[in-house]
Amino acid sequence: DAKTTQPPSMDCAEGRAANLPCNHSTISGNEYVYWYRQIHSQGPQYIIHGLKNNETNEMASLIITEDRKSSTLILPHATLRDTAVYYCIVRGAGNMLTFGGGTRLMVKP
Amino acid sequence: KAGVTQTPRYLIKTRGQQVTLSCSPISGHRSVSWYQQTPGQGLQFLFEYFSETQRNKGNFPGRFSGRQFSNSRSEMNVSTLELGDSALYLCASSPGGRGDHNEQFFGPGTRLTVL
Repeated sequence: DAKTTQPPSMDCAEGRAANLPCNHSTISGNEYVYWYRQIHSQGPQYIIHGLKNNETNEMASLIITEDRKSSTLILPHATLRDTAVYYCIVRGAGNMLTFGGGTRLMVKP
Repeated sequence: KAGVTQTPRYLIKTRGQQVTLSCSPISGHRSVSWYQQTPGQGLQFLFEYFSETQRNKGNFPGRFSGRQFSNSRSEMNVSTLELGDSALYLCASSPGGRGDHNEQFFGPGTRLTVL
């Protein structure tokens, strides 16, 4: 599976949009981009995934660039409960997830 | 629908002992994956079981093993425990088709401390 690069930490003001970037320049055509988050020592929680089209669900939006080499997870109105480590994962066939270091998002009041 | 459950939640063992951790997937899910999370190495894939067969394996020594039962419940075993095995062990379940891009649902984890 392709490797991903994320900033180690980010801050966001409560109520503002949080935009978390991810680079995956070696992604191949059949690999999807997944986002999970982990709130302190709990199990990771699935957020969203996509192949090449932008995706939106009740939690977040995923914007994938046309060349698929990078993506952005958008939390439209961040709350204090969104403080977590966010993992961007590129996943091919199979259920093995390769986690990187993630981005530690701190939402501040 | 009940989520993924893991037992026990906390465990303390001493070096050289062995330990067995249990995971019950979401009803109807046939794939169970195990991960180890440590501060130094982050989240690392251990292995995946599907229909009682190991389908994928990460880069861990043979002291780490697992199995899956016909009801999809899974256990992992670590023998001859080392201090470095202290970690949060996470289990994830999914419906299981290899080509499917389904989300994986994680349990709360078992925190193992080796003294």
